[in-house]
Amino acid sequence: NAGVTQTPKFQVLKTGQSMTLQCAQDMNHNSMYWYRQDPGMGLRLIYYSASEGTTDKGEVPNGYNVSRLNKREFSLRLESAAPSQTSVYFCASRRDESRAEQFFGPGTRLTVL
Amino acid sequence: SQQGEEDPQALSIQEGENATMNCSYKTSINNLQWYRQNSGRGLVHLILIRSNEREKHSGRLRVTLDTSKKSSSLLITASRAADTASYFCAPPNQAGTALIFGKGTTLSVSS
Repeated sequence: NAGVTQTPKFQVLKTGQSMTLQCAQDMNHNSMYWYRQDPGMGLRLIYYSASEGTTDKGEVPNGYNVSRLNKREFSLRLESAAPSQTSVYFCASRRDESRAEQFFGPGTRLTVL
Repeated sequence: SQQGEEDPQALSIQEGENATMNCSYKTSINNLQWYRQNSGRGLVHLILIRSNEREKHSGRLRVTLDTSKKSSSLLITASRAADTASYFCAPPNQAGTALIFGKGTTLSVSS
């Protein structure tokens, strides 16, 4: 099992460009999450998907959109990147509401110039 | 707003010493988790403690929970250089649908 995978690992964008961060899990988990982590900060929740077909905003959703493509995949899209979106992005999954533990991917380091 | 707040922000110890990290949170919870993050990597789940538990052990880890004070602590005994990492407590949000992370405690263990 690969667990939670994220692509790409690194990305540099110019202001105004768009891109999609991909996340996939092979653990048959129902819930998936997108967080961002800025230097010296904890993780802040951007969006989450409690189950296939549902998505909800987290603490910092502005400037992002998400798609729960199927049970395995949960993508994060930046339509018009801004320097304030420079961050490390982590995807996570959780089996379901009966299990609290989240499993994290290795992260995508994004720089917006 | 963040729920989990760790203290201290940074901790430096020698190998073999114990490391204690504290966490405070704001609202009632039914469980609290601790995670570790090695530099530049994703978070790894360490331990979960439920609101009806006061203490829980896992190997060299000991976690306590005081719901009356809304606080938790993580003790790592006999620290090793490999324990060097950031440690985060993560109580759930009020809806129980996601976790709220603080800034973490950065632990440095020197040999």
